[in-house]
Amino acid sequence: DAKTTQPPSMDCAEGRAANLPCNHSTISGNEYVYWYRQIHSQGPQYIIHGLKNNETNEMASLIITEDRKSSTLILPHATLRDTAVYYCIVRKNSGTYKYIFGTGTRLKVLA
Amino acid sequence: EAQVTQNPRYLITVTGKKLTVTCSQNMNHEYMSWYRQDPGLGLRQIYYSMNVEVTDKGDVPEGYKVSRKEKRNFPLILESPSPNQTSLYFCASRPTGSSGANVLTFGAGSRLTVL
Repeated sequence: DAKTTQPPSMDCAEGRAANLPCNHSTISGNEYVYWYRQIHSQGPQYIIHGLKNNETNEMASLIITEDRKSSTLILPHATLRDTAVYYCIVRKNSGTYKYIFGTGTRLKVLA
Repeated sequence: EAQVTQNPRYLITVTGKKLTVTCSQNMNHEYMSWYRQDPGLGLRQIYYSMNVEVTDKGDVPEGYKVSRKEKRNFPLILESPSPNQTSLYFCASRPTGSSGANVLTFGAGSRLTVL
């Protein structure tokens, strides 16, 4: 599975959009991009995933570049409760079931 | 409620005293896995299981054992715990299959301290 690179930390003002980047330059054609987040020391929580097209759900939007080498998770109106560590994972959905979470991006939403 | 349940949530033990952290899921998921989380190192996979009686090593399996005798349960066994196994542990499960929507569901975590 492709490796991902994320900035270690980011700040965002409450009510503004939080844009979290992820670089996955070695992604292959059948690998999905997944985002999870972990609030404090709770279990990570699934946010969104995508393959090629941009995706949106009730939590966030996922923008994947046309070459698929990078993506951005967008929290449209960040709240204090969105303060968490966000993990970007790239993996196939078959074959190996190893997951590489890395250290993620620590997002701090400021009042 | 669909969930992954881990027990105990907190445990302090001593070096060499065998312990088991239990994990149970009620979603009929085939796949289950264990992770440990240490400061600065993120989540690292210990073991995973594709189905009953099928287990495989993750990235940091040393010092741990697992078993999968029933679909719903996937206990993590520390035969002789050492202080370097002090960590926060998570169990997770997901369905197998090729749908992109098959995502991991995590338990609440078990904080283990080995003195």
